[in-house]
Amino acid sequence: DVQLVESGGGLVQPGGSLRLSCAASGFTFSRFWMSWVRQAPGKGLEWVANINVDESEKYYVDSVKGRFTISRDNAQNSLYLQMSSLAAEDTAVYYCARVPIIQTRYFDYWGQGALVIVSS
Amino acid sequence: QSALTQPASVSGSPGQSITISCTGTSSDVGKYNLVSWYQQYPGKAPKVMIYEATKRPSGVSNRFSGSKSGNTASLTISGLQAEDEADYYCCSYAGSNTLNVLFGGGTKLTVL
Repeated sequence: DVQLVESGGGLVQPGGSLRLSCAASGFTFSRFWMSWVRQAPGKGLEWVANINVDESEKYYVDSVKGRFTISRDNAQNSLYLQMSSLAAEDTAVYYCARVPIIQTRYFDYWGQGALVIVSS
Repeated sequence: QSALTQPASVSGSPGQSITISCTGTSSDVGKYNLVSWYQQYPGKAPKVMIYEATKRPSGVSNRFSGSKSGNTASLTISGLQAEDEADYYCCSYAGSNTLNVLFGGGTKLTVL
């Protein structure tokens, strides 16, 4: 079975940094684009970043450009999101999600989410 | 780019059909058949119910169907059941060179 398990969430002060991880299993991780999607408390979903299979293409929502970096380690079947200069508006549950076929632009499997709270 | 527009809430009785709309623009929903719908229970991860506007993933009940007309996509749930009570989000490719997608604000479905 496909599984995505996020870790690394927690409480961080404004201006701080945090690194999220997503451990993938049950499929050939290196063959799929991956994404991060976040959801602020009580709010809707927001796409954050995409990465292609060999890290040669990375895309970000405008609000995180220059602050967040998506990466992956295909040997470790892992996806990462390095977050810096965090602000209160970055408080959210962060989901990693698989893109089955990039041309179709949807997410077929999601992790359970990692909660990031930015507060002093 | 703005989020797609969904009604904040819809409701229906068991056995009835309901439709949730998702309105975008000619640059996203209207331009591409790349609309997906997600069901989310409180505290849980989203689950894809419809992709490419009308396609249903394996394992999703055929009570769920999707359609699109112009700049508006729709999710219809027929034979409403108590277990359908959840939040529903639409999502569309936005066509930019950043390969991003836009989500709707979400619709809370209440089964009366």
